[in-house]
Amino acid sequence: AQSVTQLGSHVSVSEGALVLLRCNYSSSVPPYLFWYVQYPNQGLQLLLKYTSAATLVKGINGFEAEFKKSETSFHLTKPSAHMSDAAEYFCAVSEAGSSASKIIFGSGTRLSIRP
Amino acid sequence: KAGVTQTPRYLIKTRGQQVTLSCSPISGHRSVSWYQQTPGQGLQFLFEYFSETQRNKGNFPGRFSGRQFSNSRSEMNVSTLELGDSALYLCASSRIDFDIPYYTFGSGTRLTVV
Repeated sequence: AQSVTQLGSHVSVSEGALVLLRCNYSSSVPPYLFWYVQYPNQGLQLLLKYTSAATLVKGINGFEAEFKKSETSFHLTKPSAHMSDAAEYFCAVSEAGSSASKIIFGSGTRLSIRP
Repeated sequence: KAGVTQTPRYLIKTRGQQVTLSCSPISGHRSVSWYQQTPGQGLQFLFEYFSETQRNKGNFPGRFSGRQFSNSRSEMNVSTLELGDSALYLCASSRIDFDIPYYTFGSGTRLTVV
């Protein structure tokens, strides 16, 4: 069975500081991994995805994530936080080629940006 | 191109009533999935449809049902509403099934049961 754990339900950083949101996964088969962002009263927007190609994945809005199989991690980073990055971020895992019913979402991390 | 459209955006219902939520996928998308998002349970899978056929159903009571029409639009219905059904209901679509990396989510319908 697959699972995903997001460490820290709330992360606060200063504007211009490094953003690091942690995600660890468990999967018995090669996983697909995703990061989504959700702004208040909005749906989920895909930030980036790992689908077994390059281990360093670049996404939108300056975010990137690195797939580390040995650490079963897929942490999300951004070198310099912007006020507009304040939102909730979800890590998700699924099996390659599986259906929507197999997507497992993490519990989310709320990112706050201090001026 | 237009995104996934969910209507209505907000809804307030009374316990015991029923409600129907609508999802119009991106043009050309044939797969539609529904999720329930609550602070306590997070994001949970409800249903998945492809070409009018329900492919999978999550672990929800029979009060939750759905369907997909020939134009790929989908509706979900919740009967005999309970307070615990208050949630953000999200719909996602993709061109084909088993196409997880390309799912696009709508903005959701916020259902409040009082």
